[in-house]
Amino acid sequence: DTGVSQNPRHKITKRGQNVTFRCDPISEHNRLYWYRQTLGQGPEFLTYFQNEAQLEKSRLLSDRFSAERPKGSFSTLEIQRTEQGDSAMYLCASSLVGGGGSTDTQYFGPGTRLTVL
Amino acid sequence: LAKITQPISMDSYEGQEVNITCSHNNIATNDYITWYQQFPSQGPRFIIQGYKTKVTNEVASLFIPADRKSSTLSLPRVSLSDTAVYYCLVGDIGSTTDKLIFGTGTRLQVFP
Repeated sequence: DTGVSQNPRHKITKRGQNVTFRCDPISEHNRLYWYRQTLGQGPEFLTYFQNEAQLEKSRLLSDRFSAERPKGSFSTLEIQRTEQGDSAMYLCASSLVGGGGSTDTQYFGPGTRLTVL
Repeated sequence: LAKITQPISMDSYEGQEVNITCSHNNIATNDYITWYQQFPSQGPRFIIQGYKTKVTNEVASLFIPADRKSSTLSLPRVSLSDTAVYYCLVGDIGSTTDKLIFGTGTRLQVFP
């Protein structure tokens, strides 16, 4: 296993278009996280999944943002009607957690850099 | 959400020990502290994680005082390849509040 992968690595789109990013976690990792990182800032937590269940999505930036993990494996993050302010690096991470609230170590993918013109 | 602060930048020379601090005054009981290294155009890379006292692995040590309001990442004998941005991450998932907050980041420059 080569770690968390993300596709595409770069995406350039025009304002108003929809974009979708894919994340493939480390095999057998049951948690998957999405973050946004703007230039010079630390990553900002957006949402996470435990298997196929999305357990936290209040941090998604607006209703234009949505994420899915339909079979508990890969995940997609979609941004509808993109705006220039959506330009950022979108990071995915995964972890393997045992039962109830135990600490987990997140392993990050290389990110997808989005540029909205 | 409370801000987690780090020094903006630090300089060091090869072979020296570097200590980077993170201030997290509002840390919650369930929160863990994790440190990551990030190179340009790459995702963060895990360094070390802890809850209290001291943790050591093959690349770093993490010191957390009893009040847990701060933490210090210690890198022994840095090399040029350690030039990167270092982030602390504070939070916990699966407890009463799902919270993950990255610090402001510290840019470490190592000189020969």
